[in-house]
Amino acid sequence: GQNIDQPTEMTATEGAIVQINCTYQTSGFNGLFWYQQHAGEAPTFLSYNVLDGLEEKGRFSSFLSRSKGYSYLLLKELQMKDSASYLCAALDSNYQLIWGAGTKLIIKP
Amino acid sequence: ETGVTQTPRHLVMGMTNKKSLKCEQHLGHNAMYWYKQSAKKPLELMFVYSLEERVENNSVPSRFSPECPNSSHLFLHLHTLQPEDSALYLCASSQSNEAYEQYFGPGTRLTVT
Repeated sequence: GQNIDQPTEMTATEGAIVQINCTYQTSGFNGLFWYQQHAGEAPTFLSYNVLDGLEEKGRFSSFLSRSKGYSYLLLKELQMKDSASYLCAALDSNYQLIWGAGTKLIIKP
Repeated sequence: ETGVTQTPRHLVMGMTNKKSLKCEQHLGHNAMYWYKQSAKKPLELMFVYSLEERVENNSVPSRFSPECPNSSHLFLHLHTLQPEDSALYLCASSQSNEAYEQYFGPGTRLTVT
């Protein structure tokens, strides 16, 4: 079956760095997405990786290893507004998104 | 008008009621999606429409009935729902039904009593 695993909840301190991991098993693979979802709001697109390596976008970076079925989202210089759920989703061979349950990130002062 | 809008934002309905959720996208996309989001569970894809034709129906109970009158509008008609149908219902759109980057609406928080 197809499956996405990510931690349910993480806690980090304002100003610090946090890494949110995601592992995936899918029928074929056409890329990995990360979305951010604040409580009561719509998920918003953060990143898309299809090649191995690190993609940096400001304070956020996303990494992919296709051979390991593994990705992570790295958040630097954490701010209180980064408190949200982070959703990992893999695009399978039919170009359908397989979603993880999301990681709730709590930022403490 | 921003991206993807959904109305109502909150809905409480009894099990015998009939109601409809509405989604509108202003992005010129040609694919639209309905998702169900329950607490601590992955997003569940319910329906996909591409060029106004339904291309995906993930074994959703018949008490949920989608309608896509044009590429900008999507409805989800609800009738005789169950309490376990209480969830956040999200609409999304993309440039094609090959998913890629999807733009989400804020969702309708549905409570079935």
